[in-house]
Amino acid sequence: TQLLEQSPQFLSIQEGENLTVYCNSSSVFSSLQWYRQEPGEGPVLLVTVVTGGEVKKLKRLTFQFGDARKDSSLHITAAQPGDTGLYLCAGGGGSNYKLTFGKGTLLTVNP
Amino acid sequence: NAGVTQTPKFQVLKTGQSMTLQCAQDMNHNSMYWYRQDPGMGLRLIYYSASEGTTDKGEVPNGYNVSRLNKREFSLRLESAAPSQTSVYFCASSPQITRNTEAFFGQGTRLTVV
Repeated sequence: TQLLEQSPQFLSIQEGENLTVYCNSSSVFSSLQWYRQEPGEGPVLLVTVVTGGEVKKLKRLTFQFGDARKDSSLHITAAQPGDTGLYLCAGGGGSNYKLTFGKGTLLTVNP
Repeated sequence: NAGVTQTPKFQVLKTGQSMTLQCAQDMNHNSMYWYRQDPGMGLRLIYYSASEGTTDKGEVPNGYNVSRLNKREFSLRLESAAPSQTSVYFCASSPQITRNTEAFFGQGTRLTVV
């Protein structure tokens, strides 16, 4: 069974601060996705990374896939209250069509 | 642009009752999934359907059955609901693309079993 460990589990910061959340596994994934989920809603895809060492930027969010494709990080610069939500990483594997999700990082950005 | 539609959005059941959660997608995706989300547990896969006509068990299939009615629809049935099945249920779909299994989610069904 492929497991994804996310850290930290909870994070509360002030507006304007920077933060990094992590997603780690002992397994290799063919791709890794980051989702954000707001209360009462389903998760929404932010980004997919597929190549070891890949870095993708989405406005103030920077996503990195580890060289060995076992881990990923999400860095937010100058966090805003609108960034508040549950951030989930999910790993995809080969031909079995299944996504394995981490337990998530609950981020609160205070004004 | 509907995406993935789940019904109902809320449901309260008594222990032992049965019900079916409905899910439909309009993105012509091949693969569909049912997850449950519990506090501190993240999203756990119940069943999935890689393509029309196939279904497979996920991480937590006990107490559930599924039907892939056609390419658009994937239903989840609870035959005899138990309080342990109180949860938020999410349906998702994805294109069947190797190495890039991105999922698109519905808004969820909040189920309480009393």
